[in-house]
Amino acid sequence: EVQLVESGGGLVQPGRSLRLSCSASGFTFDNYAMHWVRKAPGKGLEWVSGIGWSSYSTGYADAVKGRFTISRDNAKNSLYLQMNSLRVEDTALYYCVKDTLNVVGAMGGFDYWGQGILVTVSS
Amino acid sequence: QSVLTQPPSVSATPGQTVTISCSGGSSNIGNNRVSWYQQLPGTAPRVLIYENNKRPSGIPDRFSGSKSGTSATLGITGLQTGDEADYYCATWDSRLSAGVFGGGTKVTVL
Repeated sequence: EVQLVESGGGLVQPGRSLRLSCSASGFTFDNYAMHWVRKAPGKGLEWVSGIGWSSYSTGYADAVKGRFTISRDNAKNSLYLQMNSLRVEDTALYYCVKDTLNVVGAMGGFDYWGQGILVTVSS
Repeated sequence: QSVLTQPPSVSATPGQTVTISCSGGSSNIGNNRVSWYQQLPGTAPRVLIYENNKRPSGIPDRFSGSKSGTSATLGITGLQTGDEADYYCATWDSRLSAGVFGGGTKVTVL
């Protein structure tokens, strides 16, 4: 059974940092691209960032470019999102998601989702 | 303002068919794969269609996806009350080098 379990969320002040982690199991982790998707209160789904199977290719939404960094450790079956210079508008439920393909720019679709981890940015 | 345009809402009675459109451009839908998601209140989204028209195991064949040019469509036949949810399309945008979602469509079963 595929499982994606996020951790590392919480309440943080504007300008501070937070690191999200996602532990994956039930599939061959290093065969697939992985992404972070978020949902802010009252808004729709927003793609945040993606990383290819080998970490060679990455992508970021304009809203987070330069502030967030995605990474993965295939030996630990783990995905990460380092979030710096957090803003109030980054407040959202963050989902770790698995792609059906292995290259981030191919983006076949997100066939498995974690339950999400809440990040609240507030003073 | 999303790169992909979806109608904000659609409604129909049980048993009817609804279609949800997703309009984009050559840098996204026109040259990349489209996927569709259903999000029920309080739950994580689930994929209905991936790689334009493939349906994961466990998704009823009442759900179908198609793509033509720079637009994609999700069809739901035999509408059920349990289909009331928000639906999103998504694809890669080669010009932005980023994934993009549509703004979402709320389906109401009358």
